[in-house]
Amino acid sequence: GAVVSQHPSWVICKSGTSVKIECRSLDFQATTMFWYRQFPKQSLMLMATSNEGSKATYEQGVEKDKFLINHASLTLSTLTVTSAHPEDSSFYICSARGRQETQYFGPGTRLLVL
Amino acid sequence: AQSVTQPDIHITVSEGASLELRCNYSYGATPYLFWYVQSPGQGLQLLLKYFSGDTLVQGIKGFEAEFKRSQSSFNLRKPSVHWSDAAEYFCAVGAGPQTGGKLTFGTGTQLKVEL
Repeated sequence: GAVVSQHPSWVICKSGTSVKIECRSLDFQATTMFWYRQFPKQSLMLMATSNEGSKATYEQGVEKDKFLINHASLTLSTLTVTSAHPEDSSFYICSARGRQETQYFGPGTRLLVL
Repeated sequence: AQSVTQPDIHITVSEGASLELRCNYSYGATPYLFWYVQSPGQGLQLLLKYFSGDTLVQGIKGFEAEFKRSQSSFNLRKPSVHWSDAAEYFCAVGAGPQTGGKLTFGTGTQLKVEL
């Protein structure tokens, strides 16, 4: 139980284009999902908290217009990187909040912006 | 605000040897504590968690951790390490519903297993 999927697992795009990443909780409902960014050899950096049916809460320093988050249902949250640039290249990981305040993580999406 | 310290950036052990990864946290009340493992290019897998009750918790893959309030620690242990345990290990602390389920992660410990 408590499986979270992400799609795509990796994506290469040209600078200036937008990329959408999906995060789904497959066998449980998640009113809250989280989006993280991870740089090589580093820990996870929380970008935003996504709550179903409401606006996402962004961490300090994260551009909300650059990273659009939508939590359309209890099993789906999406992160759209708008007008991507090479510095947005990173590993993006989502998690879904389950029972007992436990976060279950997706497998991650590697984004490369050329 | 809560914080987590993982003092060891890298640890190398021989296969079959015992393992202990250290984690110290800072939080005023009883925290929610977690250990996750990450293999290269993968997401995080939950190993075990603690939020109340027995201070010695058992997890998957033969791991266990002990919550010691007096030391503000939640160290991860395994009696006999397997080569497949080589990965990055993250300790995390949360305040539960008060912070909307947000977690604070340590910087991670990279485990290398020598055959």
